[in-house]
Amino acid sequence: DTAVSQTPKYLVTQMGNDKSIKCEQNLGHDTMYWYKQDSKKFLKIMFSYNNKELIINETVPNRFSPKSPDKAHLNLHINSLELGDSAVYFCASSQDQVRGIQYFGAGTRLSVL
Amino acid sequence: QKEVEQNSGPLSVPEGAIASLNCTYSDRGSQSFFWYRQYSGKSPELIMFIYSNGDKEDGRFTAQLNKASQYVSLLIRDSQPSDSATYLCAVISGGSYIPTFGRGTSLIVHP
Repeated sequence: DTAVSQTPKYLVTQMGNDKSIKCEQNLGHDTMYWYKQDSKKFLKIMFSYNNKELIINETVPNRFSPKSPDKAHLNLHINSLELGDSAVYFCASSQDQVRGIQYFGAGTRLSVL
Repeated sequence: QKEVEQNSGPLSVPEGAIASLNCTYSDRGSQSFFWYRQYSGKSPELIMFIYSNGDKEDGRFTAQLNKASQYVSLLIRDSQPSDSATYLCAVISGGSYIPTFGRGTSLIVHP
């Protein structure tokens, strides 16, 4: 039973389209994160939610909008996709934001053509 | 701008040797420190975490933290080819609780 699951695993789309990535955790954690890992493997935080409340928003274009319907789910919607959005997006969760031991999903590889 | 610096490598060690990975961070208020391992095409997985100055050992892995010098290191004893991966250092800032990752060090353990 996967602790942090993301769907889809692969996403290939055209520039200008809108797409969503879903994430669910069954660990009972309070905090969830979205990261972007670029082609040089740099892992950069985008957003974090604690108990459905946005607590971190790291200079991400407003084409990216996270949504947390409950503390087990954190989805990422991307409008007007651009070539530079191509990357691997990881969802992660942690019991709390202070100690921050994170468990990662398998990642979503987004390719914008 | 909070920064976490790692040597990108690759660090190449023979099987059975000790691999030493280092990381420095800029935010003196950082309070939580982590090492994650990432195999090619896979997601990061936690290897070690450390919150206090000193050493913390778990099996073949030892994390060392020196807050005065703002560095954290990871020692891997009896290195195995299966340890070949990229090792990511991560730091959580006090107050903002923003996790910052280094760019990772590529480790190659050759038989």
